[in-house]
Amino acid sequence: IVMTQSPVTLSVSPGERATLSCRASQSVSSNLAWYQQKPGQAPRLLIYGASTRATGIPARFSGSGSGTEFTLTISSLQSEDFAVYYCQQFNKWPTFGQGTKVEIK
Amino acid sequence: QVQLQESGPGLVKPSGTLSLTCAVSGGSISSNNWWSWIRQPPGKGLEWIGEVYRSGNTNYNPSLKSRVTISVDQSKNQFSLNLNSVTAADTAVYYCARQPPDFIRYIDYWGQGALVTVSS
Repeated sequence: IVMTQSPVTLSVSPGERATLSCRASQSVSSNLAWYQQKPGQAPRLLIYGASTRATGIPARFSGSGSGTEFTLTISSLQSEDFAVYYCQQFNKWPTFGQGTKVEIK
Repeated sequence: QVQLQESGPGLVKPSGTLSLTCAVSGGSISSNNWWSWIRQPPGKGLEWIGEVYRSGNTNYNPSLKSRVTISVDQSKNQFSLNLNSVTAADTAVYYCARQPPDFIRYIDYWGQGALVTVSS
């Protein structure tokens, strides 16, 4: 299953809302996770089951969607949120999107 | 808090074998979790290499299956990755990781990653 994320880069000002998209080449039901990765660090789990926040993840992160279309929303960007975000499906053999870089505008 | 730590050579020669070990602390390799290897070439995205269960059962990425072996050592609370016949395309940061219980294939705990360079 091919996962396609858009946009590749998202320029956002602190305090603004960021909306990231992830599309699957076939239905993955709700078997989707989102991760955040900062330079030199391992990814960190944000969302699983398309919409459930992982332990310790702030409420400004939310996930939605099912089937082939998914969205990660960061309601009010904080300085620590500027990073690369990956979606990953686990309906079949796990595959990741290519990532969306959220940068400071 | 589960912690995972990769170890192994940082440089491997072309056609050689890449070998990494992941030590698990703060949790047991014998728990009801699958344990995974994931890699990330420099500046690129993530690729799921394969996974192992405490019993030794494994699943591998079809694109790497002919070259990969993942094993578990319950006595040492660790698991390992072997990738043979490596080329420069195998240069990447290799992460060991844990899946949540019941074979749900996302990652809740990651190691810090180990950069392995394939070069002569």
